[in-house]
Amino acid sequence: AQSVTQLGSHVSVSEGALVLLRCNYSSSVPPYLFWYVQYPNQGLQLLLKYTTGATLVKGINGFEAEFKKSETSFHLTKPSAHMSDAAEYFCAVSAGAQKLVFGQGTRLTINP
Amino acid sequence: NAGVMQNPRHLVRRRGQEARLRCSPMKGHSHVYWYRQLPEEGLKFMVYLQKENIIDESGMPKERFSAEFPKEGPSILRIQQVVRGDSAAYFCASSPTSDTEAFFGQGTRLTVV
Repeated sequence: AQSVTQLGSHVSVSEGALVLLRCNYSSSVPPYLFWYVQYPNQGLQLLLKYTTGATLVKGINGFEAEFKKSETSFHLTKPSAHMSDAAEYFCAVSAGAQKLVFGQGTRLTINP
Repeated sequence: NAGVMQNPRHLVRRRGQEARLRCSPMKGHSHVYWYRQLPEEGLKFMVYLQKENIIDESGMPKERFSAEFPKEGPSILRIQQVVRGDSAAYFCASSPTSDTEAFFGQGTRLTVV
C-alpha cells in the first residue's frame, strides 16, 4: 500500500522568497514520485517526476525536488517565488506510472 | 496533438438523475484513468481502463458507478441516481502505455442539486 502526506495545507511566501512544499511518502516498493500543479478550475499539470536514477529532479518553471529514501521525502523547492506560482500543488506516488496516490494538496499563496 | 479532452466541463444534475462524463484520450493513447476530487481534497483513483477492458476498478464505488472505454469513441464514466455526495470534479488521464506518464484533462465539475 502507498500513501502520501503533504505537510501544510496552506503555505504563504513573499515574492522572491524560497518556496518549500513538503511531501512524505510511504511505499512498500520502490516508488515513482510526482509533483503536479493545479490552477483554479484547471486540470493537473506535471511539474516533475522521479522514477529512478538521479535523486535531484528538475522540473518546469524553475521547480526541483529531491528524493531522499532515508527520510521517505520528496520536497518541492523553488529558489525565488513568482506571483504566477500561486496555485494548488499535489504530491503523488505510484508503484509504476499509473494509479497515482495523491496527497491532500498544498495551496501556495504568494505575497507581493 | 490535442490534449485529453473532457466534456462537459460543467454538469448540473438533480438528485436521482444520471450523469455521463466523457473523456477522449490523447491520440495514440489506449490507457485511460479516472480520478475524483472532492472539495478541499486530493484526487482519488477510481478506475483504470484499456481499450474495451477494465484493468483496475478498485477505487470505484460498488453501486451506481460504471466506466467503459469502447473500441471506438471516448471513455465514459456513468453515475446513476446521483446524490449530493457525488458533487465533485472528475478528472480523466491517458497514457500510451501502462508504464509511461499520464496526461490529465481539465476535468468535469459535477454539481448535484
